[in-house]
This record gives sequence, structure tokens and C-alpha cells, in this order.
Amino acid sequence: KNEVEQSPQNLTAQEGEFITINCSYSVGISALHWLQQHPGGGIVSLFMLSSGKKKHGRLIATINIQEKHSSLHITASHPRDSAVYICAAPGGGADGLTFGKGTHLIIQP
Amino acid sequence: GAVVSQHPSRVICKSGTSVKIECRSLDFQATTMFWYRQFPKKSLMLMATSNEGSKATYEQGVEKDKFLINHASLTLSTLTVTSAHPEDSSFYICSAEGPSNTEAFFGQGTRLTVV
Repeated sequence: KNEVEQSPQNLTAQEGEFITINCSYSVGISALHWLQQHPGGGIVSLFMLSSGKKKHGRLIATINIQEKHSSLHITASHPRDSAVYICAAPGGGADGLTFGKGTHLIIQP
Repeated sequence: GAVVSQHPSRVICKSGTSVKIECRSLDFQATTMFWYRQFPKKSLMLMATSNEGSKATYEQGVEKDKFLINHASLTLSTLTVTSAHPEDSSFYICSAEGPSNTEAFFGQGTRLTVV
């Protein structure tokens, strides 16, 4: 089973700061997911990546397959970015996903 | 992009009753769907894998008679929490495997409260 570790667990930053959230996993994978969970619980899929880097707006996700590590970056952070960010990798049993514990991000104005 | 719709988003039910949660893939066929559960301040945990036309595969520790899964069509999987108890109160979320089998699309989740 894949072990997925995220850091930090909690992060508070000021508006405008550059944010980095890290994710490491133990078993080689075909693709890794970054998700955003809003306070109501709803989940939005941000990225699915298998190599290199992807960018969507102010969000950037990178992955290093050899090192089994991925990062999620937020540029010019804004209070509306406040949410829980979760990485997930295959290997959760019967081909499901294993999720990290999430990073609770608070962006203060 | 691919969309997965989960319904209802919130439900409150009395102890002993059953609750059905639906997960639909709106613009693609999903032969495989997954059901997850999230306890407060914990990570999502896989409950079961739902395969169209066959029995679901349950993770260790998940009671298959309590959490009934039916994947009767390529666009619909349902999770029924039978004889619900307060400890079943949780956030349940489904995901569907996309056409390439490496993508995962998530439903909006269902907040179940059993009183």
C-alpha cells in the first residue's frame, strides 16, 4: 500500500505570499492528484500529473517521479485560497487512491 | 471536462433508517467508481471499489452488509447505508475512473448526519 505524507499539516500566511505544500509517497505511481477541499467538504480536483509541471492560473504542481515527491505552489496567495489541500496517489487498495492527511491553509488579508 | 455528480449533498436521517447516496458520471462512462469516507479532521479512506456489473470490492474493516453498493449501469453507482447509526455520521465521497483509467473525477460529497 502506498504511504502518502504531506507537509505542512497547517499553514497560515499573509495575502500575497508564495505558498508551497509538499507531498511524498512510498510506491512508484502512474499519476498523482492534488485536490482542494472547501469548508463545506466538497472536493475539487486541481491537478493530475505524471511528470514535470502543470500550471493553472496561480496554481503550479510539480512532480519528481524518481524522488517520489510532488509540490503544490500557489503564487500571489489570496484569502479565497484558504482550504484544505490534499494529495492522493494510487495504491489505496483495489486500485483506489491513498490520500495524504491534507494541509489546512489559511491566507490572512 | 468530465463531471461526476453526487446526490444528496447533505442528509439527516433517524437512527435505524437507510440512506441512499447516488454517484453519477455525467458525460462519460465509468466502469469503476470508488467510495470514500472521511472522519472529522482525518484523511479520506477508501471504503470500496464499485465495478459495473459485478460485486463491489470492500476494504478491510468495511461491513459490506451495512454499506451496500450497486453499480448497475456505466454511469451510476449507489451507496446505501443500512440501519444507520450515529457513528455512521460522516462525509462520503465518490470518484469515478476516467476513460484513460488514470484520471479520477470526484463527486461533491455527501454529509450524512444520523440522529
